[in-house]
Amino acid sequence: DIQMTQSPSSLSASVGDRVTITCRASQSISSYLNWYQQKPGKAPKLLIYAASSLQSGVPSRFSGSGSGTDFTLTISSLQPEDFATYYCQQSYSIPITFGQGTRLEIK
Amino acid sequence: EVQLVESGGGLVQPGGSLRLSCAASGFTFSRYWMHWVRQAPGKGLVWVSRINSDGSSTTYADSVKGRFTISRDNAKNTLYLQMNSLRAEDMAMYYCARESNNDIYSDWGQGTLVTVSS
Repeated sequence: DIQMTQSPSSLSASVGDRVTITCRASQSISSYLNWYQQKPGKAPKLLIYAASSLQSGVPSRFSGSGSGTDFTLTISSLQPEDFATYYCQQSYSIPITFGQGTRLEIK
Repeated sequence: EVQLVESGGGLVQPGGSLRLSCAASGFTFSRYWMHWVRQAPGKGLVWVSRINSDGSSTTYADSVKGRFTISRDNAKNTLYLQMNSLRAEDMAMYYCARESNNDIYSDWGQGTLVTVSS
């Protein structure tokens, strides 16, 4: 199984900050990396797919980069509605696996 | 608008069974692969199972293989997850998800909670 490791596990930031979350795969997954946002009590929401493609309707302050084993999700200027938990997911091989999540909190 | 509505969760004793349903609308259900993903309370997301568009191919996580069965009824636009021999570690919120392509989850239901306890 491909292990996905996110860092940090939690992060405190302020509105307007630039934030970067990292995801590392235990083996190369090319660009088969997706990012989801989950708010408390809600289902996850797709933000970025194929490492760097912005899902329709997602604000452009979200961006993704990387390939192979190392990936990043960047939020260019944090908004109040961005405080949530973020998960990376590899869709390279079965079993599909997720990172453990990064909880983004208000400083 | 795509809608996925799960149902069938509840309290079940260890060793018991439950069948989850996911009613789909707003898209041509028969064209899409579908998945179940679960999330234990306070924990992360875990993939459970997937089924191809016509139901002829299924795949499972090792943790549920032989106990869970995914199926679909394209005439009823409904996805199912039959869960047998339930264990405490199966307790979670279960989400159905629509795959846009390449195991990317473009749409999710609101989830249905399964509690396994005596």
